[in-house]
Amino acid sequence: GAVVSQHPSWVICKSGTSVKIECRSLDFQATTMFWYRQFPKQSLMLMATSNEGSKATYEQGVEKDKFLINHASLTLSTLTVTSAHPEDSSFYICSADRGLTTGELFFGEGSRLTVL
Amino acid sequence: DAKTTQPTSMDCAEGRAANLPCNHSTISGNEYVYWYRQIHSQGPQYIIHGLKNNETNEMASLIITEDRKSSTLILPHATLRDTAVYYCIVSLFAGTASKLTFGTGTRLQVTL
Repeated sequence: GAVVSQHPSWVICKSGTSVKIECRSLDFQATTMFWYRQFPKQSLMLMATSNEGSKATYEQGVEKDKFLINHASLTLSTLTVTSAHPEDSSFYICSADRGLTTGELFFGEGSRLTVL
Repeated sequence: DAKTTQPTSMDCAEGRAANLPCNHSTISGNEYVYWYRQIHSQGPQYIIHGLKNNETNEMASLIITEDRKSSTLILPHATLRDTAVYYCIVSLFAGTASKLTFGTGTRLQVTL
């Protein structure tokens, strides 16, 4: 099946620093990728839609200057959490559209960010 | 996208069928019903989807009522590895990437 990989799987950083999370589609090209965040015992919340070669579309309430998304190639999208604070600690998950007629999305394993 | 309602949690004995209900009474005619699951601390995994007809694949069966206002996901022989949160999602598939909105899902616990 299609594989989407995230890196790093987990990261711990100090408050005020920036952290970059990568999302790669390993065996297919993804024009569109989505970024979600998930707090403990809660559901996934869509943050933004990332389109290759264009600016990301952010969901209401998500700060675009804090969560920088870059989709520079058909196999890579990155999420950078800038000036991270403890409240940004969360599980960040990406998904990629393989372009199947079913509309099925393939998800990465997730990246757990802890901000001290 | 239409809203879905699912029970918060369910238990199922290993080897028995797990029947997970979902209510989507405001679904529109061109919206699909998708099921994903999320095993603890992992990304969601696609299970199955349907529009009007019942569907079956190697993982599960999806039964959609004739009025499309509700559906049931059936895991025919649940195993311990099926313990997860199951999400029922209604989404308009427009030929390009579907933006999925996750609800709270049903936490299925499979026990010995």
